[in-house]
Amino acid sequence: GNSVTQMEGPVTLSEEAFLTINCTYTATGYPSLFWYVQYPGEGLQLLLKATKADDKGSNKGFEATYRKETTSFHLEKGSVQVSDSAVYFCARYNQGGKLIFGQGTELSVKP
Amino acid sequence: DADVTQTPRNRITKTGKRIMLECSQTKGHDRMYWYRQDPGLGLQLIYYSFDVKDINKGEISDGYSVSRQAQAKFSLSLESAIPNQTALYFCATSDPSGGAPDTQYFGPGTRLTVL
Repeated sequence: GNSVTQMEGPVTLSEEAFLTINCTYTATGYPSLFWYVQYPGEGLQLLLKATKADDKGSNKGFEATYRKETTSFHLEKGSVQVSDSAVYFCARYNQGGKLIFGQGTELSVKP
Repeated sequence: DADVTQTPRNRITKTGKRIMLECSQTKGHDRMYWYRQDPGLGLQLIYYSFDVKDINKGEISDGYSVSRQAQAKFSLSLESAIPNQTALYFCATSDPSGGAPDTQYFGPGTRLTVL
């Protein structure tokens, strides 16, 4: 099938901790992959994307590498801040012009 | 000014009422989408439109209808609201002819409560 699976939240970390949010996908071929972020009370914003295998997307200290061997696109950040507290969504592009989203992972960063 | 706007931002209504959620965009994108967000379920696609004359059902279109009044406007209607339609609703746009045809841009959302 065509789906996106994320690690369940909520994830609670202390400031400056290392973050990993796992994301795996099923698809035919190599679709573009995305991470979107939703800050409290706001809509989704594109955080980063990768359009082909082995690409690394990066933005605001976050990174994710498109791994075709493991069909994964894990989100990482070396040192999280309180301001990173949000819900993170992994998504893949569908050739029908749509995005397929994971269920979202809530991140809470404590000072 | 925001590129994708939604009105209202919050709405409380009663079971059986008809309600319309509106989305406007100034990005000049041809494609527009309506999603609903429920806790733990991510975003589910309700309807999408690739141009003014093209309307398509998404995963969960039952109980909803849409109207694409112009390139910039895409409205979502609940003909007879029911409590399990209580959710956060998002509009999004994308540009198939641009440099990033697969990227969607989201509005701020409408929180709908059906009592």
